[in-house]
Amino acid sequence: AQTVTQSQPEMSVQEAETVTLSCTYDTSESDYYLFWYKQPPSRQMILVIRQEAYKQQNATENRFSVNFQKAAKSFSLKISDSQLGDAAMYFCAENTGTASKLTFGTGTRLQVTL
Amino acid sequence: DAGVTQSPTHLIKTRGQHVTLRCSPISGHKSVSWYQQVLGQGPQFIFQYYEKEERGRGNFPDRFSARQFPNYSSELNVNALLLGDSALYLCASSHRDTAYNSPLHFGNGTRLTVT
Repeated sequence: AQTVTQSQPEMSVQEAETVTLSCTYDTSESDYYLFWYKQPPSRQMILVIRQEAYKQQNATENRFSVNFQKAAKSFSLKISDSQLGDAAMYFCAENTGTASKLTFGTGTRLQVTL
Repeated sequence: DAGVTQSPTHLIKTRGQHVTLRCSPISGHKSVSWYQQVLGQGPQFIFQYYEKEERGRGNFPDRFSARQFPNYSSELNVNALLLGDSALYLCASSHRDTAYNSPLHFGNGTRLTVT
């Protein structure tokens, strides 16, 4: 069974600064995909970034980038130039490619301060 | 285009009752998935339907069932409600049946409270 662990229940960052959210996962599959989702108070889960396990190059999406360490089964999210609108719950998730089942971590609440 | 719509937004039920939650996917999306998010936890996968067929089932009791209609909308049914069923129920749609090539688009969820 797949498990996803987020060890930081809460993180805080000042506006314009950089923050890194941690995620580790455990899977026996060789082919899988990793995601970061953002859940603001509106409750809607929004895809931030995704990574294919077979790609060594780290994914980037504007101010968001990941550090994918396959051997360590680590998938951290870096947010650069943090903005007030980045404040939300962030969930790391894994998919083995089977159907659309995502296994989520418990989330990290990110606060952005002035 | 309208996003994924879920109804109702909030619901209060009594233990032992039955509940039906509804989801309309984004136009053109043929896959609908259901997730349960208990307060303070990440979402847990319940079901996926693609082209009206069940494609995946999570570790939930038989009290949970779902179906997908010819217009690709979906219902999630929960029988004999327990207090532990209180949660946010999220629906997600996608164009294809796998999560990577066809990212999931989530609705705002239905908040179910069982008293």
